[in-house]
Amino acid sequence: NAGVTQTPKFQVLKTGQSMTLQCAQDMNHEYMSWYRQDPGMGLRLIHYSVGAGITDQGEVPNGYNVSRSTTEDFPLRLLSAAPSQTSVYFCASSYLSYTEAFFGQGTRLTVV
Amino acid sequence: SQQGEEDPQALSIQEGENATMNCSYKTSINNLQWYRQNSGRGLVHLILIRSNEREKHSGRLRVTLDTSKKSSSLLITASRAADTASYFCATDAIETSGSRLTFGEGTQLTVNP
Repeated sequence: NAGVTQTPKFQVLKTGQSMTLQCAQDMNHEYMSWYRQDPGMGLRLIHYSVGAGITDQGEVPNGYNVSRSTTEDFPLRLLSAAPSQTSVYFCASSYLSYTEAFFGQGTRLTVV
Repeated sequence: SQQGEEDPQALSIQEGENATMNCSYKTSINNLQWYRQNSGRGLVHLILIRSNEREKHSGRLRVTLDTSKKSSSLLITASRAADTASYFCATDAIETSGSRLTFGEGTQLTVNP
């Protein structure tokens, strides 16, 4: 089983550029989420989805968009990258929001 | 603001010793989970304890939950160098039930050989 796959693993963007972080899971989980991890801040929830076609905002949604057209995929779009979005991004999936979450390996993003 | 807060922020022990990490949270929860994160990797689920449980064991891990004090502890017995990692608690708050887990800031554990 691949579990949760994130791409790319590393990315450098210039301020103002846009990009999409990809996330795919093969466990048929309904719940998927995106977090960012900054030093000393733990994980903060950006957006989440409880199933295909349903998304909602988390704690820090500004500057990010998501969509969920299939159960497997949950891409995260940065609309206009800012240095404050320099972080490590993690995608996770679980059967339900409060059951065991499976995490991807992360995407380390630097915005210059 | 973060629902869970781990204590201590960092812990350094010798191999073979026990390691105890604490988590405090603010609102009523359905369950609490502990995760481990090795450097540069994603989080890995360790154990889940429900609000009606007081203690749970999994191998060398022992988790306790005190809902009256809104706190939990993770005990790792007979620690090994491979236990070196960051440990996070995550809560499923009743007020946001069905929508999210909220993570604390983590405890960095270093086990010296």
